[in-house]
Amino acid sequence: SAVISQKPSRDICQRGTSLTIQCQVDSQVTMMFWYRQQPGQSLTLIATANQGSEATYESGFVIDKFPISRPNLTFSTLTVSNMSPEDSSIYLCSVVTGTGGNEQFFGPGTRLTVL
Amino acid sequence: ILNVEQSPQSLHVQEGDSTNFTCSFPSSNFYALHWYRWETAKSPEALFVMTLNGDEKKKGRISATLNTKEGYSYLYIKGSQPEDSATYLCASLNTGRRALTFGSGTRLQVQP
Repeated sequence: SAVISQKPSRDICQRGTSLTIQCQVDSQVTMMFWYRQQPGQSLTLIATANQGSEATYESGFVIDKFPISRPNLTFSTLTVSNMSPEDSSIYLCSVVTGTGGNEQFFGPGTRLTVL
Repeated sequence: ILNVEQSPQSLHVQEGDSTNFTCSFPSSNFYALHWYRWETAKSPEALFVMTLNGDEKKKGRISATLNTKEGYSYLYIKGSQPEDSATYLCASLNTGRRALTFGSGTRLQVQP
């Protein structure tokens, strides 16, 4: 298993500002992802955070809006840039471990409200 | 089915009732089906990972079944307790993908 922590746990931000969310894992992992859940919606994959290279973004998500860093195998950050109320969501960090990469674990999430 | 779909969206039951939810997923290129339990302000907790058609898994009062040919899974809770109140998420993993595709969840509320 993996123990994942996220900071901050929640925040309330003003429109037009940016917020950086940190994700720390207690062990080295190859696969790390960022998801968000907008109110009433599914958990949606934003991007795969790649160690030492640019993140791989899903359709509808771009680097300018959601820049991601992954300096090593235990840490990643997601920045939500130039926020609008539509960015109000829970943002979750997730990692894959286990034999065959079949187990996916999640952090507790960052609850973001944009006014 | 292109997306992962769950029903019902929400469910209110009395303590002691048994209940079940449905997850529908794309059957083509299927690799694995995951169930999670998510309580507010906590991390989603992995319940089951199932890969084979006909799989049945059990964890205490919770069990799940898998039909990969028709693309559905059922989650059963026997004798619901108030501490079972949570959102139950299912997610499918397809071959060629590294990350899970989630349904929107079933929110369960168990009344004492």
